[in-house]
Amino acid sequence: ILNVEQSPQSLHVQEGDSTNFTCSFPSSNFYALHWYRWETAKSPEALFVMTLNGDEKKKGRISATLNTKEGYSYLYIKGSQPEDSATYLCAFTGYNNNDMRFGAGTRLTVKP
Amino acid sequence: DVKVTQSSRYLVKRTGEKVFLECVQDMDHENMFWYRQDPGLGLRLIYFSYDVKMKEKGDIPEGYSVSREKKERFSLILESASTNQTSMYLCASSARGDGELFFGEGSRLTVL
Repeated sequence: ILNVEQSPQSLHVQEGDSTNFTCSFPSSNFYALHWYRWETAKSPEALFVMTLNGDEKKKGRISATLNTKEGYSYLYIKGSQPEDSATYLCAFTGYNNNDMRFGAGTRLTVKP
Repeated sequence: DVKVTQSSRYLVKRTGEKVFLECVQDMDHENMFWYRQDPGLGLRLIYFSYDVKMKEKGDIPEGYSVSREKKERFSLILESASTNQTSMYLCASSARGDGELFFGEGSRLTVL
């Protein structure tokens, strides 16, 4: 079983704070790394998919980086807003696999 | 608007009952997946399917079976429900080679 680890498990920040969290994954046999955002009572939605070492992706105030050689990805949120409150999941796909393995997620709460 | 639809949002069943969780997608995706989500454990893969009538075990297939008779439909079956199968069940689909998962809204199953 491939281990995908996320830290921290939960995070509470004030509105306006910038924050970041980490996803670590096996560095061998890498194919893609995905970030999903899961709001309460909704379906998880894809934020980013990254495949190349050094990839940086950005969507509004949220960005992500990828280091496949050392097996980690960072997700950054600049100027957090209450609507950013959600669980952020990362998921790893290996080169020979069609399935996707998830970390346990980081639960972000942004206080107004 | 593309969708993955799960048949029931909330179910309550008794120990020993047979339970069917249905999932339908309208995106003509080849791949379909069943995950369960438990606090602190993230999404764990139960079964997945690459194509009609094909199925592969995920990390935790024990106590479950699946059926994929049509491309758009992937059913999860609990032959004899047990209390440790109380969980949130998420269905997802993806196109071959793309990897991005599209999720249903989840089915929260309680087994008494």
